[in-house]
Amino acid sequence: GENVEQHPSTLSVQEGDSAVIKCTYSDSASNYFPWYKQELGKRPQLIIDIRSNVGEKKDQRIAVTLNKTAKHFSLHITETQPEDSAVYFCAAAGSGSARQLTFGSGTQLTVLP
Amino acid sequence: DGGITQSPKYLFRKEGQNVTLSCEQNLNHDAMYWYRQDPGQGLRLIYYSQIVNDFQKGDIAEGYSVSREKKESFPLTVTSAQKNPTAFYLCASTKAGVTEAFFGQGTRLTVV
Repeated sequence: GENVEQHPSTLSVQEGDSAVIKCTYSDSASNYFPWYKQELGKRPQLIIDIRSNVGEKKDQRIAVTLNKTAKHFSLHITETQPEDSAVYFCAAAGSGSARQLTFGSGTQLTVLP
Repeated sequence: DGGITQSPKYLFRKEGQNVTLSCEQNLNHDAMYWYRQDPGQGLRLIYYSQIVNDFQKGDIAEGYSVSREKKESFPLTVTSAQKNPTAFYLCASTKAGVTEAFFGQGTRLTVV
C-alpha cells in the first residue's frame, strides 16, 4: 500500500518568514495530493491540493509543488502569520479502487510573533 | 446546513466495554471513512466504505467494527478487544471519484 512520510515534525518560524513542509510517497500510481490544516481541537480542513498532471499550484500565500519523478511534494507558506500556527498534514490518494487517502504524520507549525 | 456530524464529542469507556461512535453526513457522499489520531502519528485508517452494505478494513482494523446500513450513516464500534482505545477518532466522507475528504469534528474517547 501507499506510504507517506512527512518532515519536519515540528517547525518554528518568525512571523513574516516562509515555512516549507515536505512529503514523500511510495506509490507511483498516486495522483492526488491534498494538504490539510488542523487547529487545536478542531477537524482537519483542506487548504490546497494538487493532481499529478500539474507541477505547482498557488492560492494566495500558500503553494504546493509536486515532483512525480522523485515522488515528493511540498507545501510552501509565505509571509507567515500567527493564525497559520496549526498541525499540517499531507496525504496521497492510493491506487486502489477505493482511492482512500494515506496521511503523513503531521507537522506542528508555530509562528512566533 | 450540509456537513458531517460526529457524536458524542467526548466519550468515556470502562475497560471491557464496547462503545459506539456515531457519524452522519448529509452531503450525499458515497464513501465514508474512520481514522484514528494519536499524537505524532497522523491519521491512521481504521475502516472505509464505498457503498451501502459494504466496507473494508484499513490499516488498524483490529478491535473495531463498523456497519453501513444507510448511505448517511457509518457508526464505529470500539470493542473490548481494542487494547489501547484512548484516542481522537475522526470520520470523513468523499464523493465517488473525487478524493477531497470532509471531516467531522471528532470524538475523543478515553478509557477510565
